[in-house]
Amino acid sequence: DTAVSQTPKYLVTQMGNDKSIKCEQNLGHDTMYWYKQDSKKFLKIMFSYNNKELIINETVPNRFSPKSPDKAHLNLHINSLELGDSAVYFCASSQATRAAEAFFGQGTRLTVV
Amino acid sequence: TQLLEQSPQFLSIQEGENLTVYCNSSSVFSSLQWYRQEPGEGPVLLVTVVTGGEVKKLKRLTFQFGDARKDSSLHITAAQPGDTGLYLCAGVLGGNKLVFGAGTILRVKS
Repeated sequence: DTAVSQTPKYLVTQMGNDKSIKCEQNLGHDTMYWYKQDSKKFLKIMFSYNNKELIINETVPNRFSPKSPDKAHLNLHINSLELGDSAVYFCASSQATRAAEAFFGQGTRLTVV
Repeated sequence: TQLLEQSPQFLSIQEGENLTVYCNSSSVFSSLQWYRQEPGEGPVLLVTVVTGGEVKKLKRLTFQFGDARKDSSLHITAAQPGDTGLYLCAGVLGGNKLVFGAGTILRVKS
């Protein structure tokens, strides 16, 4: 019954590796997001997709590549992981007509060692 | 420099006290949202305010949107330990882009 689910919840990996985080929403929303929350709890948008189309792409290294196979899924692939990529990554979804009221997943805590 | 300045950063109070959290910007937002986040969880939407001057109440929580739609406040009356958490304000810009404040960590002691 989880509205926005993302996997894995924890991810520990070595520098230089490539990893993916998956996200699925069952709310029927048309917009999905990836946010990054740093160690100071600051939450910043990375990407936004509306009906599988990229609409927001903030200043994010091109090692980060989102992919939306359909409007219920938005995955995040990260190449050549760096220490500074360690953070909590949140997937969220919203309905475009509802003023971006976002429903967030539980987050993926990524630790790069 | 953050688009949304949220204050205070930390707040530790006794059960039963009142508190106010502020969210200020020089930008105008189409709407503003407040979220609450608990450890190990994602933020959960509490309220959206849309109209300048709007006041919304959610039990002991009162949310206000400034007349110019640049600022907002969250007031909690008679805080309970269950109110403990990270409170985040978020302004909505064009393209439904959410911009978050840095958050207020609230701890209510019993």
